[in-house]
Amino acid sequence: QVTLKESGPALVKPTQTLTLTCTFSGFSLSTSAMRVSWIRQPPGKALEWLARIDWDDDKFYSTSLKTRLTISKDTSKNQVVLTMTNMDPVDTATYYCARMPMTTSDAFDIWGQGTMVTVSS
Amino acid sequence: QSVLTQPPSVSAAPGQKVTISCSGSSSNIGNNYVSWYQQLPGTAPKLLIYDNNKRPSGIPDRFSGSKSGTSATLGITGLQTGDEADYYCGTWDSSLSAGSVFGTGTKVTVL
Repeated sequence: QVTLKESGPALVKPTQTLTLTCTFSGFSLSTSAMRVSWIRQPPGKALEWLARIDWDDDKFYSTSLKTRLTISKDTSKNQVVLTMTNMDPVDTATYYCARMPMTTSDAFDIWGQGTMVTVSS
Repeated sequence: QSVLTQPPSVSAAPGQKVTISCSGSSSNIGNNYVSWYQQLPGTAPKLLIYDNNKRPSGIPDRFSGSKSGTSATLGITGLQTGDEADYYCGTWDSSLSAGSVFGTGTKVTVL
């Protein structure tokens, strides 16, 4: 069974750095063509893709947030970590990680439950 | 910041059919596969359609997808109260700012 679960602080202050961890099971990020992405959703708004890391350590970032994001993986721990610097109240959102296997091309087939992050002083 | 455009809402009575459009450009829908997601209230999105028209295991054939040029469509037949949710299209954008992109989202209401 494939599962992903996000973890991290529920509350961060403006200007702080957010670190989120996606811990997954049921697949390996060292498998050829496997990828994991981070996506966020502000309350009442649409989904916004943030970043992706591939099995071969290729990384892709949202152009609008590229300067603030870093994605990394620890294959031995089955984890993907996203850091976002200089947090602002507009970054308040539910943050999801999702799997992108080769079998579904560019689709996210399994999502984590999401973790809500509030940015407030 | 959504690159793909969807109607804000669609509605129909139980048993009827609804279609949701997703409009993009040649750098995204025009040259890449489209996927569709259902998001029930308070839950994470769920994959309904991938590769334009394929359904993952467990997704009923009431849900269908199609693509033509730079637009895609999700169809839901035999509408049920449990289908009331937000629906999003998604694809890859191959422009200089390469990355995944999502639609603006459509709220489906069962009357």
